[in-house]
Amino acid sequence: GAGVSQSPSNKVTEKGKDVELRCDPISGHTALYWYRQSLGQGLEFLIYFQGNSAPDKSGLPSDRFSAERTGGSVSTLTIQRTQQEDSAVYLCASSLARDRYSNQPQHFGDGTRLSIL
Amino acid sequence: AQTVTQSQPEMSVQEAETVTLSCTYDTSESNYYLFWYKQPPSRQMILVIRQEAYKQQNATENRFSVNFQKAAKSFSLKISDSQLGDTAMYFCAFMKHSNGFGNQFYFGTGTSLTVIP
Repeated sequence: GAGVSQSPSNKVTEKGKDVELRCDPISGHTALYWYRQSLGQGLEFLIYFQGNSAPDKSGLPSDRFSAERTGGSVSTLTIQRTQQEDSAVYLCASSLARDRYSNQPQHFGDGTRLSIL
Repeated sequence: AQTVTQSQPEMSVQEAETVTLSCTYDTSESNYYLFWYKQPPSRQMILVIRQEAYKQQNATENRFSVNFQKAAKSFSLKISDSQLGDTAMYFCAFMKHSNGFGNQFYFGTGTSLTVIP
């Protein structure tokens, strides 16, 4: 079956521009996560959507970052007025996450490599 | 807050040998899940192995096994008969369930493993 799909796979843009990154989770997965991975670094949590609940935005680094999840499926991560330090790979993951007894792991997309010139 | 620590930024192993990657975590939760993910140069995050905290038996998946020490909060990954395709970044992850927030994941900073021919 189809996995998590992210687009674009690569994005190069000028400093100050806005960018939108898209994530299509696995069908039926209620949980969706965005992470940022800087060169040679671990995963930095950004935001988490779970069903119809209010998202956990605690990881967003600034108010230039926002994310939406429409219809409980596709998600877009928007970065406004991009800065060079925003350059990173942005990873999306989805999970079934039915309940507390569910050990469902995350399934990751291939990520979007964002380069700010 | 939950923290996951991988104290070995880089490791190398000869092909066909065995290597152990360490991971420790800090939590006050009694029920949680632990995962090891592999990220090869292709960037795709791949689940390697998972462990439920309530299970005493260590998980195994072919050449991959874990040494789970709940009291010590340690979750190391052993790779036997290392293969060139095992060259990747390995991330340890902790997952807990929170009422209202669903399943939350916390990742270590990763260990870069190189298998030497």
